[in-house]
Amino acid sequence: ELKVEQNPLFLSMQEGKNYTIYCNYSTTSDRLYWYRQDPGKSLESLFVLLSNGAVKQEGRLMASLDTKARLSTLHITAAVHDLSATYFCAVDQLGLSGGGADGLTFGKGTHLIIQP
Amino acid sequence: ETGVTQSPTHLIKTRGQQVTLRCSSQSGHNTVSWYQQALGQGPQFIFQYYREEENGRGNFPPRFSGLQFPNYSSELNVNALELDDSALYLCASSLRTRPQETQYFGPGTRLLVL
Repeated sequence: ELKVEQNPLFLSMQEGKNYTIYCNYSTTSDRLYWYRQDPGKSLESLFVLLSNGAVKQEGRLMASLDTKARLSTLHITAAVHDLSATYFCAVDQLGLSGGGADGLTFGKGTHLIIQP
Repeated sequence: ETGVTQSPTHLIKTRGQQVTLRCSSQSGHNTVSWYQQALGQGPQFIFQYYREEENGRGNFPPRFSGLQFPNYSSELNVNALELDDSALYLCASSLRTRPQETQYFGPGTRLLVL
């Protein structure tokens, strides 16, 4: 069974600081996704990481993937209040559901609060 | 390009009833996946439809069923509702021939079972 673990699950930080969210997964996968969810809203796609060593950046967010360590990180640089949200990583369970479906297994999410 | 849409936005049912949720996929997408998100948790994969057939299933009982139509829209049906079925139900669409693309999520249907 594929397991995805995020840490921390809750993070309160001040504006201007840097921090990293970690995502570990239990089985081989070369597709990892990061999503953002605002309270009461749906999921917004942030990054798709498709290969070992992949790094993607958008604004103050940067995501990386190490498939050998089964680890992805989401780094926040000089945080601003607008980045307050819950961040999920998800791993493709292609084939594990028995039908070749591209179902995603999500972590529990990291609830991020950025205070002025 | 239209995004993923879902209806209804909110729904209240009682235990034992049946419910149908609807999803229209993003223009050009041929695959629809359904997820259940309980409060404070990550989404859990229910099943996926491709070419009008179920293409994979998560750990959900048979009372969760679905359909996909020729226009790639989809329905999620839940029979014999239980209190624990209360959750946000998310539909996501994707293009199966482009695995490098992500799944795009709709706004969700919030179901409350009393």
